[in-house]
Amino acid sequence: DAGITQSPRYKITETGRQVTLMCHQTWSHSYMFWYRQDLGHGLRLIYYSAAADITDKGEVPDGYVVSRSKTENFPLTLESATRSQTSVYFCASKPGLVPRSSYEQYFGPGTRLTVT
Amino acid sequence: DAKTTQPPSMDCAEGRAANLPCNHSTISGNEYVYWYRQIHSQGPQYIIHGLKNNETNEMASLIITEDRKSSTLILPHATLRDTAVYYCIVSPKGETSGSRLTFGEGTQLTVNP
Repeated sequence: DAGITQSPRYKITETGRQVTLMCHQTWSHSYMFWYRQDLGHGLRLIYYSAAADITDKGEVPDGYVVSRSKTENFPLTLESATRSQTSVYFCASKPGLVPRSSYEQYFGPGTRLTVT
Repeated sequence: DAKTTQPPSMDCAEGRAANLPCNHSTISGNEYVYWYRQIHSQGPQYIIHGLKNNETNEMASLIITEDRKSSTLILPHATLRDTAVYYCIVSPKGETSGSRLTFGEGTQLTVNP
């Protein structure tokens, strides 16, 4: 049972390039999330999705695009990477409301992105 | 969502109880208190959540004051592996509870041998 995986784990790219970070979960969870974590700080929500084809902005969505055509996948695209997007990106998933354990988010291992 | 305040760092001796405080004085009646932790470089891990009654699971206990303006996460017998950043988060009840989480800076707990 792989759970939730992210790829790549490490990525170095240049300013202006398009980059896509992948997130895949095997639990068929309804919700999926993308967060970024800058060095020494807490996580900030970029985008989230309540179900396939339903996405919504989080706290810091500018410069990012998401899609969710399949329940298990939630890719995050940086259309034109900037140095300020250098960060660690975490994907997470969460079941629907029932049962009680559905309140919990399950996080992936993260992707460390460096934009030069 | 209500804002939370946590001390930036705490120390605890191995084998002793670790008591991590959180202030959420603006919490409303329909908001849960969640706790997550993040061990260095890993994704955060859910610990526990509660509304107004004390909660306990295999990882920790959550004590919420009667007025709900503060709470304490208790790790009863801290081990070195509990060294992590602990986040206290408030999230509304309902269908999306536990979804749009706002992680502050958290408390860095260091468990010392």
